[in-house]
Amino acid sequence: AQTVTQSQPEMSVQEAETVTLSCTYDTSESDYYLFWYKQPPSRQMILVIRQEAYKQQNATENRFSVNFQKAAKSFSLKISDSQLGDAAMYFCAYFGTSYGKLTFGQGTILTVHP
Amino acid sequence: GAVVSQHPSWVICKSGTSVKIECRSLDFQATTMFWYRQFPKQSLMLMATSNEGSKATYEQGVEKDKFLINHASLTLSTLTVTSAHPEDSSFYICSARVLYGSYEQYFGPGTRLTVT
Repeated sequence: AQTVTQSQPEMSVQEAETVTLSCTYDTSESDYYLFWYKQPPSRQMILVIRQEAYKQQNATENRFSVNFQKAAKSFSLKISDSQLGDAAMYFCAYFGTSYGKLTFGQGTILTVHP
Repeated sequence: GAVVSQHPSWVICKSGTSVKIECRSLDFQATTMFWYRQFPKQSLMLMATSNEGSKATYEQGVEKDKFLINHASLTLSTLTVTSAHPEDSSFYICSARVLYGSYEQYFGPGTRLTVT
């Protein structure tokens, strides 16, 4: 079974600084997708960024970028120029085509200090 | 596009009663819908997967007789918590997928259930 591990229950960052959230996963599949979701206090799940496993290039969405290390099964999220609105719980998630369902990590609560 | 709604957003019910939560895909047809449960500051736990017109598939440990799921149309799935007890109090989130096997999944805003 696939597992997703986020080893940082909580992280904090100063406004305008950079923070990296860690995620590792375990799988035997070759075809899969990885995601970072943001869950603000409203609790609406928001897709931040996705990465297809077959793509070597790291995905980037404005201030959000990932460091995808396929061999190490690592998928970290870097938030640059952090803003107060980035404060939320962040979930790393895995989707394998054989299982067909999302597997979530435990989540990391990110606090942004002004 | 790809909006999923849930109703109600918050419900309070008395112990022993049943409560129904609706999940609708507003601008697309969802072949598959998922129901999750989330406790405060914890991850989403998948409860069940429902495909339109067929019985839901429940995850291990989820009581199918307590959490009844109906996916009667391509835009509506319902979760009924039967004979609710205080321990059923939680945040319930649905999500919807357009195509079988697709990774694109859209989440509803969630429903907070409080059982008194």
